[in-house]
Amino acid sequence: GQQVMQIPQYQHVQEGEDFTTYCNSSTTLSNIQWYKQRPGGHPVFLIQLVKSGEVKKQKRLTFQFGEAKKNSSLHITATQTTDVGTYFCAAGGKLIFGQGTELSVKP
Amino acid sequence: DGGITQSPKYLFRKEGQNVTLSCEQNLNHDAMYWYRQDPGQGLRLIYYSQIVNDFQKGDIAEGYSVSREKKESFPLTVTSAQKNPTAFYLCATKGQGDEKLFFGSGTQLSVL
Repeated sequence: GQQVMQIPQYQHVQEGEDFTTYCNSSTTLSNIQWYKQRPGGHPVFLIQLVKSGEVKKQKRLTFQFGEAKKNSSLHITATQTTDVGTYFCAAGGKLIFGQGTELSVKP
Repeated sequence: DGGITQSPKYLFRKEGQNVTLSCEQNLNHDAMYWYRQDPGQGLRLIYYSQIVNDFQKGDIAEGYSVSREKKESFPLTVTSAQKNPTAFYLCATKGQGDEKLFFGSGTQLSVL
Protein backbone atom coordinates (compact mmCIF):
# COMPACT_ATOMS: atom_id res chain seq x y z
CA GLY A 1 0.00 0.00 0.00
CA GLN A 2 0.88 3.63 -0.20
CA GLN A 3 3.55 4.70 2.25
CA VAL A 4 4.70 8.10 3.32
CA MET A 5 8.18 8.49 4.77
CA GLN A 6 8.89 11.45 7.00
CA ILE A 7 12.32 12.62 8.12
CA PRO A 8 13.93 13.33 10.45
CA GLN A 9 12.27 11.49 13.33
CA TYR A 10 13.65 13.95 15.89
CA GLN A 11 15.08 17.45 15.66
CA HIS A 12 16.54 19.43 18.51
CA VAL A 13 17.19 23.11 17.84
CA GLN A 14 18.22 26.20 19.72
CA GLU A 15 15.51 28.82 19.89
CA GLY A 16 15.87 31.10 16.88
CA GLU A 17 17.23 28.40 14.58
CA ASP A 18 15.29 27.19 11.57
CA PHE A 19 13.64 23.76 11.28
CA THR A 20 12.55 21.65 8.31
CA THR A 21 10.74 18.34 8.09
CA TYR A 22 10.33 16.37 4.88
CA CYS A 23 7.69 14.00 3.64
CA ASN A 24 8.35 11.64 0.72
CA SER A 25 6.29 9.17 -1.26
CA SER A 26 7.18 6.76 -4.06
CA THR A 27 3.82 7.48 -5.72
CA THR A 28 2.16 10.67 -6.89
CA LEU A 29 -0.01 12.19 -4.20
CA SER A 30 -3.39 13.79 -4.82
CA ASN A 31 -2.88 16.10 -1.87
CA ILE A 32 -0.92 16.44 1.35
CA GLN A 33 -1.91 17.76 4.73
CA TRP A 34 0.17 18.83 7.71
CA TYR A 35 -0.79 18.46 11.37
CA LYS A 36 0.83 19.54 14.63
CA GLN A 37 0.53 17.59 17.87
CA ARG A 38 1.64 19.33 21.06
CA PRO A 39 3.08 17.11 23.81
CA GLY A 40 0.21 15.31 25.52
CA GLY A 41 -2.27 16.66 22.98
CA HIS A 42 -3.97 15.60 19.80
CA PRO A 43 -3.14 16.43 16.16
CA VAL A 44 -4.43 19.74 14.88
CA PHE A 45 -4.78 20.52 11.19
CA LEU A 46 -2.38 23.13 9.84
CA ILE A 47 -2.79 23.18 6.07
CA GLN A 48 -3.55 21.26 2.89
CA LEU A 49 -1.60 21.44 -0.37
CA VAL A 50 -3.10 20.25 -3.62
CA LYS A 51 -1.30 21.79 -6.59
CA SER A 52 2.06 20.84 -8.03
CA GLY A 53 4.78 23.22 -6.79
CA GLU A 54 2.39 24.90 -4.38
CA VAL A 55 3.88 27.06 -1.61
CA LYS A 56 1.83 28.36 1.30
CA LYS A 57 2.87 30.44 4.28
CA GLN A 58 1.45 30.81 7.75
CA LYS A 59 3.49 33.40 9.64
CA ARG A 60 6.85 31.67 10.25
CA LEU A 61 5.74 28.38 8.68
CA THR A 62 6.29 27.67 4.97
CA PHE A 63 4.75 24.62 3.33
CA GLN A 64 5.80 23.28 -0.07
CA PHE A 65 4.43 20.59 -2.38
CA GLY A 66 6.93 19.21 -4.88
CA GLU A 67 6.60 19.65 -8.61
CA ALA A 68 6.10 15.90 -9.08
CA LYS A 69 3.64 15.78 -6.14
CA LYS A 70 5.72 13.10 -4.46
CA ASN A 71 7.23 15.14 -1.66
CA SER A 72 6.47 17.99 0.66
CA SER A 73 8.24 20.04 3.30
CA LEU A 74 7.41 22.18 6.29
CA HIS A 75 9.92 24.88 7.21
CA ILE A 76 9.80 26.96 10.37
CA THR A 77 11.85 30.13 10.45
CA ALA A 78 13.36 31.28 13.74
CA THR A 79 11.81 28.63 15.98
CA GLN A 80 10.18 29.55 19.26
CA THR A 81 9.42 27.38 22.29
CA THR A 82 5.77 27.43 21.25
CA ASP A 83 6.73 25.43 18.14
CA VAL A 84 7.52 22.35 20.26
CA GLY A 85 5.59 19.26 19.25
CA THR A 86 5.36 16.56 16.61
CA TYR A 87 4.63 17.51 13.03
CA PHE A 88 2.89 14.98 10.80
CA CYS A 89 2.22 14.91 7.11
CA ALA A 90 -0.78 12.97 5.83
CA ALA A 91 -1.29 12.16 2.21
CA GLY A 92 -3.84 10.97 -0.27
CA GLY A 93 -7.55 10.30 -0.11
CA LYS A 94 -7.16 7.83 2.77
CA LEU A 95 -4.84 10.22 4.62
CA ILE A 96 -1.86 7.96 5.22
CA PHE A 97 0.22 9.54 7.97
CA GLY A 98 3.97 9.85 8.06
CA GLN A 99 5.84 8.81 11.21
CA GLY A 100 6.13 12.39 12.38
CA THR A 101 9.03 14.67 13.29
CA GLU A 102 9.35 15.55 16.95
CA LEU A 103 10.69 19.06 17.42
CA SER A 104 12.24 20.23 20.65
CA VAL A 105 13.39 23.81 21.12
CA LYS A 106 15.97 24.81 23.67
CA PRO A 107 15.44 28.34 25.03
CA ASP B 1 -11.52 19.71 19.43
CA GLY B 2 -14.50 20.73 21.50
CA GLY B 3 -16.98 18.92 19.25
CA ILE B 4 -15.43 15.47 19.69
CA THR B 5 -15.47 13.73 23.04
CA GLN B 6 -13.41 10.65 23.74
CA SER B 7 -13.77 8.73 26.95
CA PRO B 8 -12.26 7.58 29.13
CA LYS B 9 -8.99 9.48 28.99
CA TYR B 10 -7.12 6.52 30.54
CA LEU B 11 -8.17 2.87 30.37
CA PHE B 12 -6.62 -0.30 31.70
CA ARG B 13 -7.27 -3.72 30.26
CA LYS B 14 -6.77 -7.07 31.91
CA GLU B 15 -5.68 -10.18 30.03
CA GLY B 16 -8.54 -11.69 28.01
CA GLN B 17 -10.77 -8.69 28.50
CA ASN B 18 -12.61 -6.69 25.85
CA VAL B 19 -12.74 -2.94 26.37
CA THR B 20 -14.70 -0.26 24.55
CA LEU B 21 -13.50 3.25 23.80
CA SER B 22 -16.14 5.89 23.30
CA CYS B 23 -16.16 8.61 20.64
CA GLU B 24 -19.03 11.09 20.41
CA GLN B 25 -19.28 14.12 18.12
CA ASN B 26 -21.69 17.01 17.78
CA LEU B 27 -20.17 18.45 14.61
CA ASN B 28 -22.72 16.72 12.37
CA HIS B 29 -19.86 15.15 10.45
CA ASP B 30 -20.58 12.10 8.34
CA ALA B 31 -17.15 10.46 8.42
CA MET B 32 -15.51 9.12 11.56
CA TYR B 33 -12.15 7.44 12.03
CA TRP B 34 -10.14 5.51 14.62
CA TYR B 35 -6.37 5.79 14.67
CA ARG B 36 -3.79 4.09 16.82
CA GLN B 37 -0.67 6.02 17.79
CA ASP B 38 2.50 4.32 18.99
CA PRO B 39 5.69 6.22 19.80
CA GLY B 40 7.71 6.91 16.67
CA GLN B 41 5.17 5.28 14.36
CA GLY B 42 2.77 8.03 13.52
CA LEU B 43 -0.94 7.35 13.23
CA ARG B 44 -2.27 4.12 11.79
CA LEU B 45 -5.86 3.74 10.64
CA ILE B 46 -7.90 1.04 12.40
CA TYR B 47 -11.45 1.54 11.07
CA TYR B 48 -13.42 4.27 9.41
CA SER B 49 -17.05 5.00 8.67
CA GLN B 50 -18.40 7.27 5.94
CA ILE B 51 -22.08 6.97 6.90
CA VAL B 52 -24.31 5.47 9.54
CA ASN B 53 -24.53 1.67 9.56
CA ASP B 54 -21.46 1.32 7.35
CA PHE B 55 -17.77 1.01 8.16
CA GLN B 56 -14.55 -0.25 6.56
CA LYS B 57 -11.35 -1.79 7.84
CA GLY B 58 -8.24 0.31 7.89
CA ASP B 59 -4.66 -0.90 7.83
CA ILE B 60 -4.60 -2.55 11.27
CA ALA B 61 -8.17 -3.73 11.95
CA GLU B 62 -7.27 -7.14 13.36
CA GLY B 63 -8.27 -7.45 17.02
CA TYR B 64 -10.63 -4.47 16.86
CA SER B 65 -14.33 -4.00 16.13
CA VAL B 66 -16.58 -0.97 15.65
CA SER B 67 -20.21 -0.03 15.19
CA ARG B 68 -21.91 3.02 13.73
CA GLU B 69 -25.54 2.91 14.80
CA LYS B 70 -25.81 6.67 15.20
CA LYS B 71 -24.21 9.53 13.31
CA GLU B 72 -22.86 10.97 16.52
CA SER B 73 -21.20 7.84 17.87
CA PHE B 74 -18.43 5.51 16.70
CA PRO B 75 -17.29 3.25 19.56
CA LEU B 76 -14.18 1.09 19.21
CA THR B 77 -13.88 -2.27 20.97
CA VAL B 78 -10.42 -3.63 21.60
CA THR B 79 -10.90 -7.37 21.81
CA SER B 80 -8.79 -9.99 23.59
CA ALA B 81 -7.49 -10.97 20.13
CA GLN B 82 -5.46 -7.75 20.06
CA LYS B 83 -2.28 -8.96 21.71
CA ASN B 84 -0.51 -5.63 21.90
CA PRO B 85 -3.22 -3.09 22.72
CA THR B 86 -1.13 -0.58 24.66
CA ALA B 87 -1.29 2.63 22.64
CA PHE B 88 -2.86 6.07 22.36
CA TYR B 89 -6.18 5.86 20.48
CA LEU B 90 -7.47 8.85 18.56
CA CYS B 91 -10.91 9.36 17.11
CA ALA B 92 -11.34 11.82 14.25
CA THR B 93 -14.13 13.20 12.11
CA LYS B 94 -14.41 14.83 8.73
CA GLY B 95 -17.25 16.92 7.38
CA GLN B 96 -18.76 16.61 3.92
CA GLY B 97 -16.85 18.68 1.41
CA ASP B 98 -14.05 19.25 3.89
CA GLU B 99 -10.77 17.39 3.66
CA LYS B 100 -9.29 18.04 7.08
CA LEU B 101 -9.60 15.80 10.10
CA PHE B 102 -10.74 16.98 13.50
CA PHE B 103 -9.36 14.90 16.36
CA GLY B 104 -10.63 14.10 19.82
CA SER B 105 -8.33 14.32 22.82
CA GLY B 106 -7.55 10.60 22.78
CA THR B 107 -7.65 7.59 25.09
CA GLN B 108 -4.50 6.02 26.50
CA LEU B 109 -5.02 2.27 26.82
CA SER B 110 -2.65 0.20 28.92
CA VAL B 111 -2.52 -3.48 29.80
CA LEU B 112 -2.44 -4.53 33.44
